[in-house]
Amino acid sequence: AQKVTQAQTEISVVEKEDVTLDCVYETRDTTYYLFWYKQPPSGELVFLIRRNSFDEQNEISGRYSWNFQKSTSSFNFTITASQVVDSAVYFCALREYNQGGKLIFGQGTELSVKP
Amino acid sequence: GAVVSQHPSRVICKSGTSVKIECRSLDFQATTMFWYRQFPKQSLMLMATSNEGSKATYEQGVEKDKFLINHASLTLSTLTVTSAHPEDSSFYICSARDQEGGNQPQHFGDGTRLSIL
Repeated sequence: AQKVTQAQTEISVVEKEDVTLDCVYETRDTTYYLFWYKQPPSGELVFLIRRNSFDEQNEISGRYSWNFQKSTSSFNFTITASQVVDSAVYFCALREYNQGGKLIFGQGTELSVKP
Repeated sequence: GAVVSQHPSRVICKSGTSVKIECRSLDFQATTMFWYRQFPKQSLMLMATSNEGSKATYEQGVEKDKFLINHASLTLSTLTVTSAHPEDSSFYICSARDQEGGNQPQHFGDGTRLSIL
């Protein structure tokens, strides 16, 4: 069965600190996709990144970086030099190729960046 | 880029009222749309998969007669919460994809906050 676990329910940091949000997933499929979304207090979901199971290359986009490791079934997300505007709930999600496109979300990590 | 429009953004109504939420793909056709529900401080849980021209597929534990889904065109899916009660108060969010299979991301609507008094 597919499952996504975000063990960190809440994280609080001070501005300019680096912070890593953990994501561990379970799937029996060999082909799958992993996502990170940001949900600010207004509620909408903001797409951050998509990674497929064939591509273990890490990715950096500005202050954001992602570390995908199939050996540990993890897809961690790091924000460098955090800012107050980064405060939000972050969701990791899994989509299995043969599941018709539905997303399985983790429980979410609420990040609070204090000035 | 692709956009999904969800309407209304907020609904407050009395218990027993039926509420319809619309999800539209604005610049692409979506044969499949998804409806999620999110209770406060919780994750998004898939309720059902909406298929254009056929019946929706509901997740286990979701009442089909309670949450009616209609996907009559390639750009519109509607979710009707029938005879809503306070426990139905939640954040409902839809999503759509413009390509079957592959690794295209789902595009999400901005959500509907439903409050039943």
